[in-house]
Amino acid sequence: DQQVKQNSPSLSVQEGRISILNCDYTNSMFDYFLWYKKYPAEGPTFLISISSIKDKNEDGRFTVFLNKSAKHLSLHIVPSQPGDSAVYFCAASAGSWGKLQFGAGTQVVVTP
Amino acid sequence: DAGVIQSPRHEVTEMGQEVTLRCKPISGHDYLFWYRQTMMRGLELLIYFNNNVPIDDSGMPEDRFSAKMPNASFSTLKIQPSEPRDSAVYFCASSFTSGNLEQYFGPGTRLTVT
Repeated sequence: DQQVKQNSPSLSVQEGRISILNCDYTNSMFDYFLWYKKYPAEGPTFLISISSIKDKNEDGRFTVFLNKSAKHLSLHIVPSQPGDSAVYFCAASAGSWGKLQFGAGTQVVVTP
Repeated sequence: DAGVIQSPRHEVTEMGQEVTLRCKPISGHDYLFWYRQTMMRGLELLIYFNNNVPIDDSGMPEDRFSAKMPNASFSTLKIQPSEPRDSAVYFCASSFTSGNLEQYFGPGTRLTVT
């Protein structure tokens, strides 16, 4: 049973425009959320996180928004750059320490 | 630091053979995780250790899978006997007890069982 869902397997965006990646979750006990980025033949690397006490967290070009009532979070990348082309995974955890549940990932392609 | 180190990077073996995957976590990290990534199931947690002690192995698919962490700098994931459906990329990750859940992943081992 997938408790973390990324319903868009792929996203194509022009360089300089905004990339919006979406993630939905079903477990109301989740209170910590992370985004990871993965290049081919490499392991995932941590990108940004947010706890359930916040609704927004920003780090440079990356912003994560959390809507707890809708059990939905999104990652905004502005402006998108060619180096952002990768697979992005959403992950969630219950409690201050818990196992991470990962979504299936979204392949982002940034075109010139 | 060199990051999480995994070996081998690629492994091709025949069905029925024993496979051992190795991981060296980042020095000072006290949590170690083994994940498997497949097209069908995505990235799934198999087992994790805290201070070399297995905490949760509920993700280990079958008794054919076993994992050990004899010391803070080394862990193995063993599959015996291997089957074609075990073909996947296996990742090791490590983290601090920092509460922020950020895990550092190794490059993975691509396992192919023929």
